[in-house]
Amino acid sequence: GAVVSQHPSWVICKSGTSVKIECRSLDFQATTMFWYRQFPKQSLMLMATSNEGSKATYEQGVEKDKFLINHASLTLSTLTVTSAHPEDSSFYICSASANAGGLGIREQFFGPGTRLTVL
Amino acid sequence: DAKTTQPPSMDCAEGRAANLPCNHSTISGNEYVYWYRQIHSQGPQYIIHGLKNNETNEMASLIITEDRKSSTLILPHATLRDTAVYYCIPQTGANNLFFGTGTRLTVIP
Repeated sequence: GAVVSQHPSWVICKSGTSVKIECRSLDFQATTMFWYRQFPKQSLMLMATSNEGSKATYEQGVEKDKFLINHASLTLSTLTVTSAHPEDSSFYICSASANAGGLGIREQFFGPGTRLTVL
Repeated sequence: DAKTTQPPSMDCAEGRAANLPCNHSTISGNEYVYWYRQIHSQGPQYIIHGLKNNETNEMASLIITEDRKSSTLILPHATLRDTAVYYCIPQTGANNLFFGTGTRLTVIP
């Protein structure tokens, strides 16, 4: 399957600082990338969807000014958590997909996740 | 998107087949059934998907009922590495994935 990487795999930061997480599709061009958040013992929650070269579409309840998403190329998307607070501590996971076939069915390939801890 | 119902947890003996059910009675005609799994502290992993016909790949088999209201994921010979949370997700091609609570499968030595 296709490979998606995330960097860093974990990060600890002080409250009020900003943290950038990178998501890369290593062996395919991702027309769409997704960002998820997962709190302990909970399921993944979609935060936003981004298409290369377009503004991200955020899910209800996700602050677009706090979670800045940039999808500048077909292989790279970044999520910046601005002015992070302890409640932003979570497991952030990206996924990437590319159109596959005439039906447009797209598998999503997930990165390994980034664990953010805000002190 | 169709809602799904999965048992919260299941156990399976190592080497035996693991049969994971999913009810998706409100699935629409153009929604595929996707299965993903998430091993602890890792990103989800795609397993298999299908529309009407049963499907098999190197990881698992997917059995979809004729009325498409339910499906079963089969891991033919479960290993300890198959311990994970398994998610059944109806999806059309253009939609995002919405993860439910899934089934926590524990493979017992």
